[in-house]
Amino acid sequence: AQSVTQLGSHVSVSEGALVLLRCNYSSSVPPYLFWYVQYPNQGLQLLLKYTTGATLVKGINGFEAEFKKSETSFHLTKPSAHMSDAAEYFCALYNFNKFYFGSGTKLNVKP
Amino acid sequence: GAVVSQHPSRVICKSGTSVKIECRSLDFQATTMFWYRQFPKKSLMLMATSNEGSKATYEQGVEKDKFLINHASLTLSTLTVTSAHPEDSSFYICSVQGGGRADTQYFGPGTRLTVL
Repeated sequence: AQSVTQLGSHVSVSEGALVLLRCNYSSSVPPYLFWYVQYPNQGLQLLLKYTTGATLVKGINGFEAEFKKSETSFHLTKPSAHMSDAAEYFCALYNFNKFYFGSGTKLNVKP
Repeated sequence: GAVVSQHPSRVICKSGTSVKIECRSLDFQATTMFWYRQFPKKSLMLMATSNEGSKATYEQGVEKDKFLINHASLTLSTLTVTSAHPEDSSFYICSVQGGGRADTQYFGPGTRLTVL
């Protein structure tokens, strides 16, 4: 079965602090993995994706994620949070021609 | 990427009525569009795949007679919730497949449906 679990529906960090959003997955085949960001009143935007190859993937806005097969994880990180990073983040898995999404994590950035 | 709009952004309707939600691809001809539903604090769930000029493909457990999908042009797909009930209240999101790859999708901003 395919599934995605995001630990923590809400994460709060101070501006300038490390951002870590957790994502674990279950997949019967090697997955494609994605992180999307959603700002208020906007559609989901692709931050980054892993398909094959290098396991550390860099995305837009300074975000990166590392695919760890042994841990079935694809955590999203950013070294230094900015106020503009406040949004909801969705981890997703793609296989068998379908997306499977996590339930989302709302990131709050405190000044 | 493609720009996708949805209309309306919010709708409130009475139980038993039907509601139509539009999904438009503003700058991209979309052969394939997708409809998702998101419950509060839950993940997005794929409801159906909408192919231009043909019948939509529904996911298991989704009532095709209740959630009517029409994809009559390369820029417009509609989702009609028929005989709405309060349990149909949800956030509905559409997406457009880009570049012939189903793993590349561009998402609309969503429509919040509330059924009283």
